[in-house]
Amino acid sequence: GQNIDQPTEMTATEGAIVQINCTYQTSGFNGLFWYQQHAGEAPTFLSYNVLDGLEEKGRFSSFLSRSKGYSYLLLKELQMKDSASYLCAVRDGSGGYQKVTFGTGTKLQVIP
Amino acid sequence: SAVISQKPSRDICQRGTSLTIQCQVDSQVTMMFWYRQQPGQSLTLIATANQGSEATYESGFVIDKFPISRPNLTFSTLTVSNMSPEDSSIYLCSVEHSYEQYFGPGTRLTVT
Repeated sequence: GQNIDQPTEMTATEGAIVQINCTYQTSGFNGLFWYQQHAGEAPTFLSYNVLDGLEEKGRFSSFLSRSKGYSYLLLKELQMKDSASYLCAVRDGSGGYQKVTFGTGTKLQVIP
Repeated sequence: SAVISQKPSRDICQRGTSLTIQCQVDSQVTMMFWYRQQPGQSLTLIATANQGSEATYESGFVIDKFPISRPNLTFSTLTVSNMSPEDSSIYLCSVEHSYEQYFGPGTRLTVT
């Protein structure tokens, strides 16, 4: 099985930087996703990491350490529209097929 | 990317009835996934649907309750059978495309 942990809620100030952490335990790791989900909407893809290191995409960056079972999503120059839930998800291929399991999500509130 | 549509977008159903949700993708994909997201919670995988084979159900979900069809590489249906109020949730179709996972807009189901 899999165990994915991320903080339930975070608050940050507009223009600042925030880091959302995710730790996981899985037997057949085959990639980690970050998604953004605004209330009442479907999740939208932000990033995918399968190798260790930092992937940068505009204001958003995602980091992965497979040996530590750890990832973070870094959001820079926060905007009010970044208020949303951020979901960490891990792909596991140990069951003979690829399965993606989601963490409970981190609800980020950006304040002026 | 992949563009996914779902029908219906929402429905209110009486307990004991069944609802079939349709998912259409704009490109051919091998694997399609059905998720459930209950209010305020993260996504839970119901089953994985591959074309030409039986769907693979996750723990806690059974074929009699959630029968799935996958007649071709661009379409799938999920039926929620013999509904109860506990089935009230958002049901999301998802596909994997170029190692990224995309979601449909979801079907918001309310069972009274």
